[in-house]
Amino acid sequence: QVQLIQSGAEVKKPGASVRVSCKASGYRFTDYGISWVRQAPGQGLEWMGWISGYNGITKSAQKFRGRVTLTTDTSTSTSYMELRSLRSDDTAIYYCARDMHPSDSAPFDYWGQGTLVTVSS
Amino acid sequence: SYVLTQPPSVSVAPGQTARITCGGNNIGSKSVHWYQQKPGQAPVLVIYDDFDRPSGIPERFSGSNSETTAALTISRVEAGDEAAYYCQLWDTSSEHWVFGGGTKLTVL
Repeated sequence: QVQLIQSGAEVKKPGASVRVSCKASGYRFTDYGISWVRQAPGQGLEWMGWISGYNGITKSAQKFRGRVTLTTDTSTSTSYMELRSLRSDDTAIYYCARDMHPSDSAPFDYWGQGTLVTVSS
Repeated sequence: SYVLTQPPSVSVAPGQTARITCGGNNIGSKSVHWYQQKPGQAPVLVIYDDFDRPSGIPERFSGSNSETTAALTISRVEAGDEAAYYCQLWDTSSEHWVFGGGTKLTVL
């Protein structure tokens, strides 16, 4: 069965960076892309970016360009999201989610369990 | 940038029908997807491409999309349907995924 398992909770100071991992299993990793979505406490869903599992091509939301880096390691079927220059308003649960079919505009059929990132001095 | 507008809340009695709307410019020309999110859990896809249901989603969940409004309809609402619901679409002009602000469904 398809699973996306994310790394554990993080606490960071303002200005630091955080890297969250998302390990996929149960399907061929290179056939599907992964999006990253975050949710601030009590707020809605916010798309951050997408990476192809096939060739590593990325697309990112304008809001995060220059601050977010998405990468994959096909040897371990793992996707990574790094966010730099953290601010208090980056405190959120960060989710990875798989494309339903091989397309950057396919909805998300499987989600990771979420990783809480807390930014506090 | 493209904006999707949802009502913050919808309330319905058990057994009744809930309709959650999602408004956007010329939304009828785009494919709309819907997610259910219960507290403390990751979102779950309940409707994709306007009206298709993923396997395992009850037939009580249905979707529609026309002109300026897409809608998620939940028939014979159950207590377990209480959750936040988000609409989503791919904005081709910006190449961004866009989510609506979410609608909290309360089962009275």
